[in-house]
Formats: sequence, C-alpha cells, structure tokens
Amino acid sequence: GEDVEQSLFLSVREGDSSVINCTYTDSSSTYLYWYKQEPGAGLQLLTYIFSNMDMKQDQRLTVLLNKKDKHLSLRIADTQTGDSAIYFCAESMKGTDKLIFGTGTRLQVFP
Amino acid sequence: EAGVTQFPSHSVIEKGQTVTLRCDPISGHDNLYWYRRVMGKEIKFLLHFVKESKQDESGMPNNRFLAERTGGTYSTLKVQPAELEDSGVYFCASSLGQDNSPLHFGNGTRLTVT
Repeated sequence: GEDVEQSLFLSVREGDSSVINCTYTDSSSTYLYWYKQEPGAGLQLLTYIFSNMDMKQDQRLTVLLNKKDKHLSLRIADTQTGDSAIYFCAESMKGTDKLIFGTGTRLQVFP
Repeated sequence: EAGVTQFPSHSVIEKGQTVTLRCDPISGHDNLYWYRRVMGKEIKFLLHFVKESKQDESGMPNNRFLAERTGGTYSTLKVQPAELEDSGVYFCASSLGQDNSPLHFGNGTRLTVT
C-alpha cells in the first residue's frame, strides 16, 4: 500500500540544524520530494531526489535517502525564522504522475 | 510567468449548498491536478487532467464532486451538495508533463462547510 509518514511537529532554535524525517512504504517510488508550505501560501517545491541516489545537497538543504529502510530526511542547516513552515514529504509512483504526501511536519524556529 | 492561480481563496458555505472552485494553471501546462488536505491530515490526490481529458480520477471521494476542464485551459471543481466532511484546503497543481517535471501548486482554496 501507499503510505507516507512524518512526525507532526519540530521545534528548533535559530541557528541550529533541523532534521525532518519521513518514512514511506512503496519501494517502487521513483522520485521523493520535499515541499514547503508557509502560512496562507501554496506548496513550494524545495528539492527532490531520484530513488537511486543517496544524498543531494542544495545550499542549506541536504536530503538523505535510505532506500533499504525507506527513510527520507531533510536537513536544514543554520535554521532561520523564515524557515518556519509546514514541510511535506511526497513520493511519486512509477508509471503515474500521482504524488503521495505525508501529513506534514510543522517546523517552528524560535530565537 | 504567472503561477497557478486559484479562486476563491476562501469559501464558507452551508451544508447542502453548492460551491465551485476554479484553477488557472500555468500557461502551456497540459497536466492539471486537484489535491485536498482535510483537517490537518495528509494531502490527498483527487484527479488528474491531461489537457481536457481526465487521466486519473481515482481520488474523487464520491459523485458529489465534479471536475471539468473544458478546452484544456482552466479547471473547475464543483461540490454539490456540500457536506461537513468536505471542509479542507483544495490545491490545484500543473506541470508540463515531461519526465519528472515538477508540480507547481496554487495557494489553495480553503473551503469551510458549516
């Protein structure tokens, strides 16, 4: 079955690193994504990783994929107050355009 | 380039009424998707258009929901009659449709059924 799980909340101090975790169940996923939703805004694609990759880095963002454990993480270095948002993990299924989303993790950054 | 736009941004209606949500995709995007997030749960797929054709409507919850995309441009999602459990945020997204072309999402329509 298709299931993507995330913890609901994460609170970090400004300047620290944030790590948001995600687990998925379908091993046939082709791409895995991280989306960010700020209050009142739509879903902004942050980054994505192909399923045959282990890691992808993009400025302050690092995505790690453990395909054996079906575990995906997003690390945000030097977290800023502007990073406060809901972060959604999503997977795309082989042969379809459908995205399966997690419940979202609300990241709160405090000074 | 204008992004995906959705109208209205908020809608409050009573149970039994009808509501129509509109989505204007990015110009040139053949693929258009509707998703819904209910009560802080996960975002769930509703349906997918390729141009004016419904490619996949497996996520539509029941026959009270009707989606159209006449002419392959903008799309509407009508809920008739609305029920309390239809409350949530309805997102529209569009993409070029090439391999792994990213989905561009609109800001969503927050629907509240009272």
